[in-house]
Amino acid sequence: SQTIHQWPATLVQPVGSPLSLECTVEGTSNPNLYWYRQAAGRGLQLLFYSVGIGQISSEVPQNLSASRPQDRQFILSSKKLLLSDSGFYLCAWSVSQRTDTQYFGPGTRLTVL
Amino acid sequence: DAKTTQPPSMDCAEGRAANLPCNHSTISGNEYVYWYRQIHSQGPQYIIHGLKNNETNEMASLIITEDRKSSTLILPHATLRDTAVYYCIVRVNPPGGSARQLTFGSGTQLTVLP
Repeated sequence: SQTIHQWPATLVQPVGSPLSLECTVEGTSNPNLYWYRQAAGRGLQLLFYSVGIGQISSEVPQNLSASRPQDRQFILSSKKLLLSDSGFYLCAWSVSQRTDTQYFGPGTRLTVL
Repeated sequence: DAKTTQPPSMDCAEGRAANLPCNHSTISGNEYVYWYRQIHSQGPQYIIHGLKNNETNEMASLIITEDRKSSTLILPHATLRDTAVYYCIVRVNPPGGSARQLTFGSGTQLTVLP
């Protein structure tokens, strides 16, 4: 069966510090991968998605970046965090076949102080 | 994606069936109905989806009306752990090799009472 991992689970970082969040998927190959952010009490905002290694599409301009160095690994990064980067970061995967069900990871709660 | 309308909140007694309605009167022929839920402080969890026919899996049943303008998610024996926000989403599948955002509305807060 497929599983998705995210780490760390929680993170507190000062403004201006770098960020690296990691997501890995097991049990499937060539998945679509997604990074979402959920602000407190609000809906999901798609940040990046990837349909293959090295292929990254950005949905929202910001100081974040994403990379996909391996088929089942997706990394969200920032060189300098802003207060507004605080939120709940979710990684998801899907296999674009007959349907497009997205499966989410447990999330990383980031607080920027 | 077609707009969906859900009641903001519902209560259900533990052990009873929870029936969560969703209205999607503008749904088009190639749009699927998806249900997800989000337990507080956790990632969203996929529950079930369907196109025209009723569907059942180990978590729930999905009943879609014949005109496809509404649907009902049924949790047959609700437990306290089913307390969550439930989202009904209507969307087309992206073309092969592409991806699309999953957009959640406000959903229904289901509270299962002991």
